[in-house]
Amino acid sequence: GAVVSQHPSWVICKSGTSVKIECRSLDFQATTMFWYRQFPKQSLMLMATSNEGSKATYEQGVEKDKFLINHASLTLSTLTVTSAHPEDSSFYICSAELGQGIRETQYFGPGTRLLVL
Amino acid sequence: AQTVTQSQPEMSVQEAETVTLSCTYDTSESDYYLFWYKQPPSRQMILVIRQEAYKQQNATENRFSVNFQKAAKSFSLKISDSQLGDAAMYFCALVPGGGNKLTFGTGTQLKVEL
Repeated sequence: GAVVSQHPSWVICKSGTSVKIECRSLDFQATTMFWYRQFPKQSLMLMATSNEGSKATYEQGVEKDKFLINHASLTLSTLTVTSAHPEDSSFYICSAELGQGIRETQYFGPGTRLLVL
Repeated sequence: AQTVTQSQPEMSVQEAETVTLSCTYDTSESDYYLFWYKQPPSRQMILVIRQEAYKQQNATENRFSVNFQKAAKSFSLKISDSQLGDAAMYFCALVPGGGNKLTFGTGTQLKVEL
């Protein structure tokens, strides 16, 4: 149980185009999902918290107009990198929160490798 | 604010031996949860073990166990009978009770040698 999928697993795009990444909780409903970015050999950096039916909460320094997040259902959150540039190339990971109250545990998707040319 | 510190960038262990990965943390919360996540070369983050701070008993999951020292704010991971598949980056993480944002350590790269 607690399986999270991401699609696509990797994507190459041209500079200036937009890329959408999907994150799905396959066997549970997730009120809250998270989007992270990870650079090589570094830890995960939280970009934003995605709440179903409401606006995402972005971490300081993350451009909300650049990284659009939509959490339209209890099993799907999407991250759209708008007008992508080479510096946006990275590994993006989503997670979904299982449980409510004080027993939250995050389960992670397999990640999406984005390369912007 | 929470901080999580992993002071061992790299560790090595012989196959079938036991290894302990260190983690210390700091939080002003009295209620919180601690986690160890594993990230193999595929980069899929996998939950290894979870510990509720209000529980004195150390969590165990098969070959994985923790040594939770609340007063010392220490949360080490012990891997017994190490296997080649255990080779990965291991991240220690904390979430405060009532909150949901994970604070990660910088990770420990574990190598398993034949």
